[in-house]
Amino acid sequence: AQSVSQHNHHVILSEAASLELGCNYSYGGTVNLFWYVQYPGQHLQLLLKYFSGDPLVKGIKGFEAEFIKSKFSFNLRKPSVQWSDTAEYFCAVQGGSQGNLIFGKGTKLSVKP
Amino acid sequence: DVKVTQSSRYLVKRTGEKVFLECVQDMDHENMFWYRQDPGLGLRLIYFSYDVKMKEKGDIPEGYSVSREKKERFSLILESASTNQTSMYLCASRGGDSPWEQYFGPGTRLTVT
Repeated sequence: AQSVSQHNHHVILSEAASLELGCNYSYGGTVNLFWYVQYPGQHLQLLLKYFSGDPLVKGIKGFEAEFIKSKFSFNLRKPSVQWSDTAEYFCAVQGGSQGNLIFGKGTKLSVKP
Repeated sequence: DVKVTQSSRYLVKRTGEKVFLECVQDMDHENMFWYRQDPGLGLRLIYFSYDVKMKEKGDIPEGYSVSREKKERFSLILESASTNQTSMYLCASRGGDSPWEQYFGPGTRLTVT
């Protein structure tokens, strides 16, 4: 069965610090990979996605993620975080015949001004 | 823009009550989903539907049922609410020009007392 593992439950950073959130998945076939973000009181929204091609994908608000197939990883990065990046971040994998999303447990990011 | 709306943002019900959560999407998407979101557990799929009157169990269907009488509407039903169903419920839809991208509603925070 597919699964997604996010290594950090809660990350606390100061503004301008660099961010890397880990995501590993287990699935042997072709996958689509996503990062979703949920700002406080708001709905879940897509941050970026990887389907194929260049393994370094860029998303909204300066976020990027790198797909490393050999490591089954899809880590999220941002060179310099802002207070407004405070949110919960979810990694998700989509594969198999039904194409349903499997979510990780989420990482809460708190950015101190 | 795709819009997924949910009938209530907050709901308080008593144990044993029958609860209906409604979700409507305006993009003629074939696929619709119900998740529950709990702290530390991420999003877990309850039920999904590929078409009108079609439904499939997700990972945690026990205690829930669904109804999809019209393409745009997907209802989640708690036949007899229990306190362990206190949670945030998220509806999502997928289809159309972006068949792999899932769009989420704002969520309904249900409290069962």
